[in-house]
Amino acid sequence: DTGVSQDPRHKITKRGQNVTFRCDPISEHNRLYWYRQTLGQGPEFLTYFQNEAQLEKSRLLSDRFSAERPKGSFSTLEIQRTEQGDSAMYLCASSFGGGMYNEQFFGPGTRLTVL
Amino acid sequence: QKEVEQNSGPLSVPEGAIASLNCTYSDRGSQSFFWYRQYSGKSPELIMFIYSNGDKEDGRFTAQLNKASQYVSLLIRDSQPSDSATYLCAPKRRGSNYKLTFGKGTLLTVNP
Repeated sequence: DTGVSQDPRHKITKRGQNVTFRCDPISEHNRLYWYRQTLGQGPEFLTYFQNEAQLEKSRLLSDRFSAERPKGSFSTLEIQRTEQGDSAMYLCASSFGGGMYNEQFFGPGTRLTVL
Repeated sequence: QKEVEQNSGPLSVPEGAIASLNCTYSDRGSQSFFWYRQYSGKSPELIMFIYSNGDKEDGRFTAQLNKASQYVSLLIRDSQPSDSATYLCAPKRRGSNYKLTFGKGTLLTVNP
C-alpha cells in the first residue's frame, strides 16, 4: 500500500496524559500536513512541513502540541497534558511539491478520545 | 462572513438524479479549489480540483467555478447510493503552497 498511513488508528486516553501519533506520507511526497477534524466540521489546518522543516503552525496549535519530521520522512504529533477538548480525528496528508494544484492525499486518521 | 460556506444539508436525491453541491468563499485570493468526499468515519478523499473559470468534467462529476461570484459547485450526474457521503469544498489561496481551508461540508444522501 503506497498511501498515507497513520498509527494508531484509535487512541483513548485520560485527561492529563501525553499522546503521540505517527504519520508516514506517500514516499515521494516532500510536504506533510496535519489537520484536526471534529464532528460536523471540516478539517482544520494545524501545521505543515516541507521536508524536515516545519514552515507553518496554526494558532490552533497550542504549546501543548508539538510536531516533528526529523528526517523529512515520517512525522509525529505529540499532545501533552491532554484535555477533553482535544478529542478529535487527527488527519495527516501529504503532497508532492506546491503550487496551485497541491493535491493533498489524506491518511486514515487517528481518532483521539480524551476521557 | 465565514471563509468557506457550504449548505450542511442533508441533501437528499433519488438514485439516478443530479446532485448539486454548492460552495461560496470569501477570500478573493483563492486560486484553486478542491472537492473531497468523506464517508462517515473515514478520511477525506480527493475527487477533483478546478482552477479556471468554467466547467471541468471527470466522469459523472462536474466542477463549476465562477471566481467573480466567488462560487464553486460540484454536480454529480446519475447519482448512486455509493455517492452518499459528505462533500467538502476547499479553496487554496494564491501564493499559499500549503493550506487548504475546508468548509463544513454538505451531507449527500442518495436514495435507492
